Amino acid sequence: DAGVTQSPTHLIKTRGQQVTLRCSPKSGHDTVSWYQQALGQGPQFIFQYYEEEERQRGNFPDRFSGHQFPNYSSELNVNALLLGDSALYLCASSLAGQLHTDTQYFGPGTRLTVL
Amino acid sequence: QKEVEQDPGPLSVPEGAIVSLNCTYSNSAFQYFMWYRQYSRKGPELLMYTYSSGNKEDGRFTAQVDKSSKYISLFIRDSQPSDSATYLCVFYNTDKLIFGTGTRLQVFP
Repeated sequence: DAGVTQSPTHLIKTRGQQVTLRCSPKSGHDTVSWYQQALGQGPQFIFQYYEEEERQRGNFPDRFSGHQFPNYSSELNVNALLLGDSALYLCASSLAGQLHTDTQYFGPGTRLTVL
Repeated sequence: QKEVEQDPGPLSVPEGAIVSLNCTYSNSAFQYFMWYRQYSRKGPELLMYTYSSGNKEDGRFTAQVDKSSKYISLFIRDSQPSDSATYLCVFYNTDKLIFGTGTRLQVFP
């Protein structure tokens, strides 16, 4: 089992550009959550996808959007990139939307740098 | 006031030491309490999970929750260099996980 995988590993963009990050959940998991982790900070919840719909959303602007596909994989899109969007973006997968159990697994993250 | 307060460290201890990591929180609605470990350039991994006040032990790790004081702790006994990582306290509330800033721990041989 490959666990949670994310691509790409690293990405460099310039201000104003758009970016798409990808996540494949752990086998058997159907829920994907996205987090932003700035340097020296804990992860901040962006949103969660379950059954191809956004279930929960944190305090992030509409520039952050996502999608979940029928195979449970997910994309995070960020439009009109700002310098402050530079961070490690983490994907976590879990079962049936259960974040409060021991079934949530994180991927290694995508490091986004905005110049 | 921040919802979660966690000392960022770094905390540097010799191998074999007992390590105490702590977090305070302000939201009494938090229902579940977790500790995650994050190695450099890796995603966080769940270490301990509990939902009630008291102690929970797993090998060298003990998680302690005091809901009345809104305080949680993680104790590591017989610390090893492989325990060197960032430790994040995490709280669950209405389908969201809320993370502390993390404490960086360095265990030297």
